[in-house]
Amino acid sequence: EIVMTQSPATLSVSPGERATLSCRASQSVRGNLAWYQQKPGQAPRLLIYGASARATGIPARFSGSGSGTEFTLTISSLQSEDFAVYYCQQYNNWPPYTFGQGTKLEIK
Amino acid sequence: QVQLQESGPGPVKPSETLSLTCTVSGGSIRNYYWNWIRQPPGKALEWIGYIYSSGSTTYSPSLKSRVTISVDTSKNQFYLRLSSVTAADTAVYFCAKSYGDYSDWFAPWGQGTLVTVSS
Repeated sequence: EIVMTQSPATLSVSPGERATLSCRASQSVRGNLAWYQQKPGQAPRLLIYGASARATGIPARFSGSGSGTEFTLTISSLQSEDFAVYYCQQYNNWPPYTFGQGTKLEIK
Repeated sequence: QVQLQESGPGPVKPSETLSLTCTVSGGSIRNYYWNWIRQPPGKALEWIGYIYSSGSTTYSPSLKSRVTISVDTSKNQFYLRLSSVTAADTAVYFCAKSYGDYSDWFAPWGQGTLVTVSS
């Protein structure tokens, strides 16, 4: 099973600033990585797939990069609605598909 | 656009079987993969398994002995059964669509349904 490790667990950033979230895989997942945003009481929402492709309707301030074992989600200028928990997920090796433990992005 | 909605009977007692339904609307269930994913309160997401519209299934090894996922294409529904539940199975259960062939990201998702295991 591929273990996905996200860092940091909590990130405090001011609105308008840049946020950088990291995700590491225990072995290469090539570019088969997705990012999700989850707000309290809601289902996760797909942001990024294929490590860097934005899903339909996702603002351009969200960008993904990386391949192999190291991945980054960058939010270029934080808006109030961006404060949430973010998860990465690998879909290169299954079963099982695996998620990271999440990064909580909070207002500084 | 496709929408998913989970439904189920509510609380489950330990050792009993959890049963959930996911209803797909706005599109056909055919030719896609349909997943169950759960999230214990305050914890991370865990993939349970999927079914292809033809009926073929793949399950998480950690749950494989207790999980059955089935599909009824005529109703545009798929189902989850998890047997011999314990308190550790208390979670929000989500259903979600994926596309197969190394396109196994999940979108869209249902809103989720909380299942509590308690005597």
